[in-house]
Amino acid sequence: AQSVTQLGSHVSVSEGALVLLRCNYSSSVPPYLFWYVQYPNQGLQLLLKYTTGATLVKGINGFEAEFKKSETSFHLTKPSAHMSDAAEYFCAVSEFGAGSYQLTFGKGTKLSVIP
Amino acid sequence: DGGITQSPKYLFRKEGQNVTLSCEQNLNHDAMYWYRQDPGQGLRLIYYSQIVNDFQKGDIAEGYSVSREKKESFPLTVTSAQKNPTAFYLCASSQGPGNGYTFGSGTRLTVV
Repeated sequence: AQSVTQLGSHVSVSEGALVLLRCNYSSSVPPYLFWYVQYPNQGLQLLLKYTTGATLVKGINGFEAEFKKSETSFHLTKPSAHMSDAAEYFCAVSEFGAGSYQLTFGKGTKLSVIP
Repeated sequence: DGGITQSPKYLFRKEGQNVTLSCEQNLNHDAMYWYRQDPGQGLRLIYYSQIVNDFQKGDIAEGYSVSREKKESFPLTVTSAQKNPTAFYLCASSQGPGNGYTFGSGTRLTVV
């Protein structure tokens, strides 16, 4: 079974600073990779995904992520944090098991933005 | 617009009662999922269904039951056997491995 590790359960950045949320996965085959965002008391919303092709993926709200196969990483970045970016972020990898594809999620990283 | 609707948004249950959480989707997705979310524990899979009239247990199925009589609907029943049901419950659906999941807005269940 695959695993997804998000380094840091809580990350704080100043408004305008770089946002870097780390995600590493275990996989022996090229995976499908996803980042989701969750605001309080809401469901998860897809930020971006990597399936095939370009390894630098751009998503909504100015976020992007780079798939690095050699490092088994899919870190999420944004050049300049905004107060509205405060939320919880989940990395996920698609895994085939028991006859179907399922997502395996990391435990999440809560991002705080300091004014 | 297509999406997933979970109802109710907030639900209160007395100890010993069964309650059913609704999940309806109009995305024509084959697969549907139920997750439980507790602070600091991420998402834990309760049940999932790939097709109508078929479903499988996830990692924490004890104390829960589901049905999948229609493609659009995947209700979750929290039974009295679930010892600690207070949590945030999320329903999701999917169509293919490269598309990820679409989530509903969640139901917050509180035992009183």
